[in-house]
Amino acid sequence: EPEVTQTPSHQVTQMGQEVILRCVPISNHLYFYWYRQILGQKVEFLVSFYNNEISEKSEIFDDQFSVERPDGSNFTLKIRSTKLEDSAMYFCASSTWIYNSPLHFGNGTRLTVT
Amino acid sequence: TQLLEQSPQFLSIQEGENLTVYCNSSSVFSSLQWYRQEPGEGPVLLVTVVTGGEVKKLKRLTFQFGDARKDSSLHITAAQPGDTGLYLCAGAGALESNSGYALNFGKGTSLLVTP
Repeated sequence: EPEVTQTPSHQVTQMGQEVILRCVPISNHLYFYWYRQILGQKVEFLVSFYNNEISEKSEIFDDQFSVERPDGSNFTLKIRSTKLEDSAMYFCASSTWIYNSPLHFGNGTRLTVT
Repeated sequence: TQLLEQSPQFLSIQEGENLTVYCNSSSVFSSLQWYRQEPGEGPVLLVTVVTGGEVKKLKRLTFQFGDARKDSSLHITAAQPGDTGLYLCAGAGALESNSGYALNFGKGTSLLVTP
């Protein structure tokens, strides 16, 4: 069964550094998402992406965050100047459609900012 | 704003018992989805409910969407250790939400089934 893959599985970075989290969504899916889960807290929506542009974003997704689909298969989340509070599990997801469509999640990248 | 409240937060039961977990909101959703998440993995979809009053069954799991499309429940019959995990409900298209059709998750119910 096709799956969403994320790399790396764990990223450690120093405060102020830039990180890029990578995702390969399921190939025939059209909608792509990033969510994050801070330890012990709920899964939070960051951004959705369709047709090479952001379709929705949350209040969390401020100017330090950006997303890109640099080629036909990868979908990336860049955090420009990491803060301690950015430490979390970041999940990429994809779906065939936006309305009531199930999301297929990757296994996440654990980001630790020191 | 916490749109979806899940209860209980934690549940520890013995194999063979039945249980129900709840997902409540003051918002009306176009659909609700239930996911299960295991440690170190992403959430995996169990079911989507769309119509008010809808009941869906997945083997020993029964999902119900409230008539007003504001709440949902998950009932597990004869729980097994393999049911252990974090059960998440997620709503789409909340009228009071500013996030459009993005899924908003509850905090989840952590279930432990012991042999």
